[in-house]
Amino acid sequence: DGGITQSPKYLFRKEGQNVTLSCEQNLNHDAMYWYRQDPGQGLRLIYYSQIVNDFQKGDIAEGYSVSREKKESFPLTVTSAQKNPTAFYLCASSIRVPRRTGANVLTFGAGSRLTVL
Amino acid sequence: AQSVSQHNHHVILSEAASLELGCNYSYGGTVNLFWYVQYPGQHLQLLLKYFSGDPLVKGIKGFEAEFIKSIFSFNLRKPSVQWSDTAEYFCAVTKGGSQGNLIFGKGTKLSVKP
Repeated sequence: DGGITQSPKYLFRKEGQNVTLSCEQNLNHDAMYWYRQDPGQGLRLIYYSQIVNDFQKGDIAEGYSVSREKKESFPLTVTSAQKNPTAFYLCASSIRVPRRTGANVLTFGAGSRLTVL
Repeated sequence: AQSVSQHNHHVILSEAASLELGCNYSYGGTVNLFWYVQYPGQHLQLLLKYFSGDPLVKGIKGFEAEFIKSIFSFNLRKPSVQWSDTAEYFCAVTKGGSQGNLIFGKGTKLSVKP
């Protein structure tokens, strides 16, 4: 079945540690996204990538880093610089859409819940 | 900055009641509009979308939404809710000319009492 796999599902981290969340898709999608979901806050965009070896900051990129070395993979690193990292992280992907329209439908993974102790 | 407003944080209804969830956005240009739903323990998934054409769009499970450009509105409706509609609902927008990055509202939790 085609889809997006995020791992781990649950992750605990001590303050000061970096952690990396995995996101893999087998949908042959060009674009991939990371969102953070907090209760009552909706989803906020952290980083996105429209093509391999290229990515852009979203609205809340500070304290996060990403890479896009392969089309299928878009890992997110939560660094120690992220002041409030406890959250639910969602990865998504989509086909590459014409910039003129911006019309896009995202497919989401099941999410990773990070808790900082 | 562009924003999406969902008017209700938590809505509680009895089965068979009618539903309307409000959504307004702040951008005045061409937009693409979405409603996504997150059922308990499940992935966020697309409920319906509007790109162009008929402003009344129909989605899965009997949901529909109407795009009213003059008041920047894209409210979600369902004539008769079921217990299985209990979920969190998110309105989202992308701008024409953007790279398709979704801007989400804060979500509305719907609880349907059997």
